[in-house]
Amino acid sequence: AQSVSQHNHHVILSEAASLELGCNYSYGGTVNLFWYVQYPGQHLQLLLKYFSGDPLVKGIKGFEAEFIKSKFSFNLRKPSVQWSDTAEYFCAVNPEYGNKLVFGAGTILRVKS
Amino acid sequence: DVKVTQSSRYLVKRTGEKVFLECVQDMDHENMFWYRQDPGLGLRLIYFSYDVKMKEKGDIPEGYSVSREKKERFSLILESASTNQTSMYLCASSLFPYEQYFGPGTRLTVT
Repeated sequence: AQSVSQHNHHVILSEAASLELGCNYSYGGTVNLFWYVQYPGQHLQLLLKYFSGDPLVKGIKGFEAEFIKSKFSFNLRKPSVQWSDTAEYFCAVNPEYGNKLVFGAGTILRVKS
Repeated sequence: DVKVTQSSRYLVKRTGEKVFLECVQDMDHENMFWYRQDPGLGLRLIYFSYDVKMKEKGDIPEGYSVSREKKERFSLILESASTNQTSMYLCASSLFPYEQYFGPGTRLTVT
């Protein structure tokens, strides 16, 4: 079945550590890719998105993600995390010509101060 | 700024009750969606609508129905609530094929 996989369900980091959250999808055609974030007690909001062009995309709050087509991956990165990055992160894929998003299971990130 | 509002943040209902969850968006988006969010399962699509009076089943439509009589409003209906429908319900809207904008969620508890 077509799906989106996030490899780590829980990640714990110390402040200033580097972050990489994995996301792989199984759709074969063109896709639009998204990372959403949900801070404690807040609604889901868009962190960054990829539609086409430069496979390295930059989002809000210093986050970036790299689309590697050959690996069907869209990993999220941040060079130095802060305590305020504690949140749940969701990868989502919109297969071409579809108007639905398929979400991964989410990764809960806890940053220790 | 796009605003998606949901009628309740918290709701407690009894088994067998009919439950209505309302969602309103103010950006004239064609698409509206209902998801449920459960720990470890991410967001799962229940139903979506791409136009007034149009709807399509998502991945987990059983036990739910929807109504979209006006473009800005999308309602989720639990015909006969059951305990396994206790969850966080999220509404979203979008202009295809762009990103979805989410409401704050309704945490529904069915006892």
